[in-house]
Amino acid sequence: SAVISQKPSRDICQRGTSLTIQCQVDSQVTMMFWYRQQPGQSLTLIATANQGSEATYESGFVIDKFPISRPNLTFSTLTVSNMSPEDSSIYLCSVPLQYNYGYTFGSGTRLTVV
Amino acid sequence: AQTVTQSQPEMSVQEAETVTLSCTYDTSESDYYLFWYKQPPSRQMILVIRQEAYKQQNATENRFSVNFQKAAKSFSLKISDSQLGDAAMYFCAYRSASFGNEKLTFGTGTRLTIIP
Repeated sequence: SAVISQKPSRDICQRGTSLTIQCQVDSQVTMMFWYRQQPGQSLTLIATANQGSEATYESGFVIDKFPISRPNLTFSTLTVSNMSPEDSSIYLCSVPLQYNYGYTFGSGTRLTVV
Repeated sequence: AQTVTQSQPEMSVQEAETVTLSCTYDTSESDYYLFWYKQPPSRQMILVIRQEAYKQQNATENRFSVNFQKAAKSFSLKISDSQLGDAAMYFCAYRSASFGNEKLTFGTGTRLTIIP
């Protein structure tokens, strides 16, 4: 099973600033998924990041607000830009597991915007 | 688009007893995968169990088992001999089997409390 190291684990940011979240995987994976989990709610997919191509964003999410980098098969970043208090959430990255069609997740980044 | 519904926002069970969490989903696809994930307060998402839609046999993982009713589009999770460490949010999730559509769609979650 792949192991994901996600950083930072938490941060408190001022409104109007940006935060970049990193996910490092210990094996090569084709796809990486970025999710948002608003307080007390379920996970919502932000985008799918494929190496060598632009990320595919879900309805309601745009590249200007959530730019994604995927420079190689083991690493990706998600930036939350021009933050507002409504961006306060947990952000998680995820990659598919081989052969058994499950997914493993990073430990999440708890973001608070003040 | 697929949707996943968990109608029980909260459930509680006595330690050592059995509890069943409900999940229904809506899809027009015939081939897909279903999952139950557990999220304790640490917020780490932990895969509990998975089911392939083409398999009639219900999946089992130790104290965790599912009741998969494909025609009814129902996928409930049974936890036997509940333990304090089972306390968490439980999310049901759907994944299409079609290539290029590997994303997970999650239900709203059920918060499970274990009563000592």
